[in-house]
Amino acid sequence: AQKVTQAQTEISVVEKEDVTLDCVYETRDTTYYLFWYKQPPSGELVFLIRRNSFDEQNEISGRYSWNFQKSTSSFNFTITASQVVDSAVYFCALNWAGSYQLTFGKGTKLSVIP
Amino acid sequence: NAGVTQTPKFQVLKTGQSMTLQCAQDMNHEYMSWYRQDPGMGLRLIHYSVGAGITDQGEVPNGYNVSRSTTEDFPLRLLSAAPSQTSVYFCASRLLTSGGAGTSNEQFFGPGTRLTVL
Repeated sequence: AQKVTQAQTEISVVEKEDVTLDCVYETRDTTYYLFWYKQPPSGELVFLIRRNSFDEQNEISGRYSWNFQKSTSSFNFTITASQVVDSAVYFCALNWAGSYQLTFGKGTKLSVIP
Repeated sequence: NAGVTQTPKFQVLKTGQSMTLQCAQDMNHEYMSWYRQDPGMGLRLIHYSVGAGITDQGEVPNGYNVSRSTTEDFPLRLLSAAPSQTSVYFCASRLLTSGGAGTSNEQFFGPGTRLTVL
């Protein structure tokens, strides 16, 4: 079975603060793929990043960075110098090699206050 | 490319009515799926398909039917709507890779259908 836990249901930060969204996953497979999606208030789902289990390099894209640690089964997402446009629900998701299914966490709602 | 399209955007049904939510993609993706999104529950998989003529159940399949007669289309049928099916429904598609079910390919989502069952 595979499972994704996003323990933070809602987070509020003041603009320009840094914020980290946590994602912990469970899978018995050694080959798996991790994703982050963003859902802004308009409702669409926007792909942010993918990572496979063999690549533990951290990734940075502008103000966004991702920390993948197999030892703690975590794939955390950090936004640096947050902006109001970052306000959204963020989902972490997992697909292991033996399944077609993409399993999502319950999401973290981020509110960035001006 | 239109990507993944869904119709309608909004729908109100009465309990017991049936309807079909339409989903189409123009990216020649083998894999298509339906999710429902409820507050605090994230996205839960209803049904999925890995190609024309092949469908399977996800986490919450009861009350829904699907079929896949073409690569492009994957309609979701509500047989007898219930208030518990009030939700936002998302269709998604992605390319599969050979050699295994799992993939790192990005899953593309439609804009969603907001369904209310009274």
